[in-house]
Formats: sequence, C-alpha cells, structure tokens
Amino acid sequence: EVQLVESGGGLVKPGGSLRLSCAASGFPFSTYSMTWVRQAPAKGLEWVSSISSSGKYIYYADAMKGRFTISRDNAKNSVYLQLNSLRAEDTAVYYCARLGRISIFGLIHDPFDIWGQGTMVTVSS
Amino acid sequence: EIVLTQSPGTLSLSPGERATLSCRASQSVSNSFLAWYQQKPGQAPRLLIYGASSRATGIPDRFSGSGSGTDFTLTISRLEPEDFAVYYCQHYEDSWWTFGQGTKVDIK
Repeated sequence: EVQLVESGGGLVKPGGSLRLSCAASGFPFSTYSMTWVRQAPAKGLEWVSSISSSGKYIYYADAMKGRFTISRDNAKNSVYLQLNSLRAEDTAVYYCARLGRISIFGLIHDPFDIWGQGTMVTVSS
Repeated sequence: EIVLTQSPGTLSLSPGERATLSCRASQSVSNSFLAWYQQKPGQAPRLLIYGASSRATGIPDRFSGSGSGTDFTLTISRLEPEDFAVYYCQHYEDSWWTFGQGTKVDIK
C-alpha cells in the first residue's frame, strides 16, 4: 500500500524550532519528488516547499524562504521539514505529499497525487 | 505568479443534483497544468483531476474537469452524499504550485 506518514508536530513557543518527518512506503521513494503543504485552521491549502528525487533541486514558497529547510534521506525513505524562527501564523496542519510525475502526451504533470494524514504544528506562548 | 480565484465560495445543493465549480486564473495556464482536489473535514486532500481534464486513479466518472486558458470547471454530474466537501484547484508549473481558496459544496 502506498503510504505517507508524518510525525514531529507539536506545541512550540514563538521563535522556536521543530523538525517534521514524513516516512514513505509502498513505492520507489528515491524516484519521486516530494513536497510539503500546510493548512492553517479553517483556511485553505498553501504550498510550502518541494525537493527533487535526488535532493539536488529544492524550491520554497516566498513566505518560507530562510526559515524552513526541506531535506530527504532516500536510504530511509523519508523527507523532512525543519521549521525555524516559528511564528503564530505558522500554526497549521503540515502535510507531506508526492509529486505525481504523470505523463500526458509526453508532457510531465506534477500534481500532488499521494498525501499523508498531516501533523499539527501549534506556535503559541 | 498565477493567482487562482474559485467561485462560488459555497455551493448549496441536494444529493442527485449537478455541481459546477469554477476556477479562474489571473494569467493563461499553459499546457493545462491545472488540478482539482477534494478535501473532507479532518482528512487530507485527494487528487481528483490533473491536466485540467484527466481523472486520477480510482476517481468516479461523475467527476469531470474542463477548460483551458484562464477558465476551468470541475463538474460533479450527480452529487452523492460523500461528495459534500471542499474543492480546491491548483496550478503547477516550473516547480511552483499555487492553490485557489476553495469552494465548499454543502447539503441544501
């Protein structure tokens, strides 16, 4: 069964740090790009960061640059998100997801085709 | 950066009715790099449609996507009880992803 399981969320004070993990199973992890998406309470979805299959290419949404760091360990089938200098507005459910890498007439499409169940991060004093 | 605007914000319909959800892009979307997701309360989103009109694996054929350029539509031909949820459109291109703000489909 294809599965993504996040962990590492919790309550942290403003200015604090947290490291989220996402363990993958059921598919050849090292051949897929991965991503993190967050959702603040009662709000919509917000793309956070993505990493290529090898880890060579990394992308961040503008609001996350400089504070968040994505990484992966293909030997452990895991992707990580280091959250630093956390603010109240970073409070959200953080989902990891797989980039679909779906070909239509030779063109590669990259929607998020598999999602984890999410891990809650609460930033509060 | 392309901004996606979804309408309406909320759609109140009865089971068996047809649902038509709109997603408008601030600039033309190339190569139909547009996806739709369904999210139920307390659950992760689920991919429904990619490439504007291709159904993802396991998605029932009552879900269909259409459109090109700046105007895209998700249609649910006959609403089933499990279809009442929030739906998001997403643009993806050049390693950049953006979501619309969502449309809630609730029971009338």
